[in-house]
Parts: sequence; structure tokens; C-alpha cells
Amino acid sequence: NAGVTQTPKFRVLKTGQSMTLLCAQDMNHEYMYWYRQDPGMGLRLIHYSVGEGTTAKGEVPDGYNVSRLKKQNFLLGLESAAPSQTSVYFCASSKALTGLETQYFGPGTRLLVL
Amino acid sequence: AQSVTQPDIHITVSEGASLELRCNYSYGATPYLFWYVQSPGQGLQLLLKYFSGDTLVQGIKGFEAEFKRSQSSFNLRKPSVHWSDAAEYFCAVGARGGSYIPTFGRGTSLIVHP
Repeated sequence: NAGVTQTPKFRVLKTGQSMTLLCAQDMNHEYMYWYRQDPGMGLRLIHYSVGEGTTAKGEVPDGYNVSRLKKQNFLLGLESAAPSQTSVYFCASSKALTGLETQYFGPGTRLLVL
Repeated sequence: AQSVTQPDIHITVSEGASLELRCNYSYGATPYLFWYVQSPGQGLQLLLKYFSGDTLVQGIKGFEAEFKRSQSSFNLRKPSVHWSDAAEYFCAVGARGGSYIPTFGRGTSLIVHP
């Protein structure tokens, strides 16, 4: 039982390049989330998914796209990377979408955009 | 909408000393409250959560937190800090009813001196 895994762990991009971050969970959770973490800003929600084939915008969705083609995977795409997207990206999953539910986090992906 | 404030960006304690990390929330009713810990290079892990009943909540790793409605606070405490407790600590608040994703505070970085 690996929990939540993220690929890659670290990536360097040049401005304008594209990339996809992969999140996978093996807990059969319906709900998945992408956050970015910046110094002094805490965690900010980018996009989330309430089930296979459905996604929704979070607090800071601009410049990102997501897809949830399979229940266990949640992809975060950057079509044209910008230096402002330098951050640590965390994926999380939960069983339900209520205020009470525990979220399970992956180890993070460090992205540097030059 | 709910919000959460962690007033301390950094806290420094000596190993063996007691610890209290502050968390204040804003929400119109009794919220769900969480504390997560992020060890260096790792994802977030749930320490404890409050949803109802006893206002003193016990968590993992010897941590506890007390919900004080009158002060809108949910402070995290530990009687004796270990060097391995050095980490980033996040308070989060979730709304009751409906489908709500918890809101995270900006985090408090705990530094432990030997």
C-alpha cells in the first residue's frame, strides 16, 4: 500500500516549456487535489476532482490544467511554464469531500522554472 | 467561507522544552479543525483533528490540541519536544455541511535546538 505517489520528484523547466505531473493513489479514494506550496503562503488549492472524469477549479487555477481519466490518477499539466510557477506541488486524496475528511498527501514535486 | 491564521512564522524551542503553536480560525459555526505536520522533504501527515465532543484532542507523536470556542482557537501543544519534531506545522479548518475542502493556514516552522 503505497498511499499517494507523485512523479517526478524534481524537475527543471525553461520558460515556455510544458510538462505533466502525475499523481497516483491506491486507496480507492474518490477525491483528489493538487496544491502548490510557496514560502509564507502555505498550501493553495489549484484544482481538484470529485471523481473519474470530473475536475473543478480551486483558488489558483490559472496556468494549469488537470485530467482524471482513471480514478487512481490525477494529472496536473503546465502548458507554458512561467517562473511564477516555481513551487512545490503536492497531490492529495480523500475518501469524501466534507469538511471533516482527512487528506492523504504525496511527497511533493519540486519544480523550478528558469 | 472559513479562514485560518497561524500568527507565528517560526518558533524556536530547546529540546525537552514544552511547545505551543497557535492557530485561530474564522467560521460562523463550530468547524472541523486539523493539525498536519510536514517533515523536511515530505508530504503532510495528519497529527490530529477535532470534529465534536471533548475539546482536548490527542494525536500522534505525543501531540495534543485544545479547541476553545470562545477564543476561536485550536492551539497545538507538546509537553517535551524532541529534535525529530523539527518540521512545518499546518493548521486547517473545514466547514460543516455540504462539500467543503479544508482551508490551510500559512504554516509555522518549528526549530529545535539541542
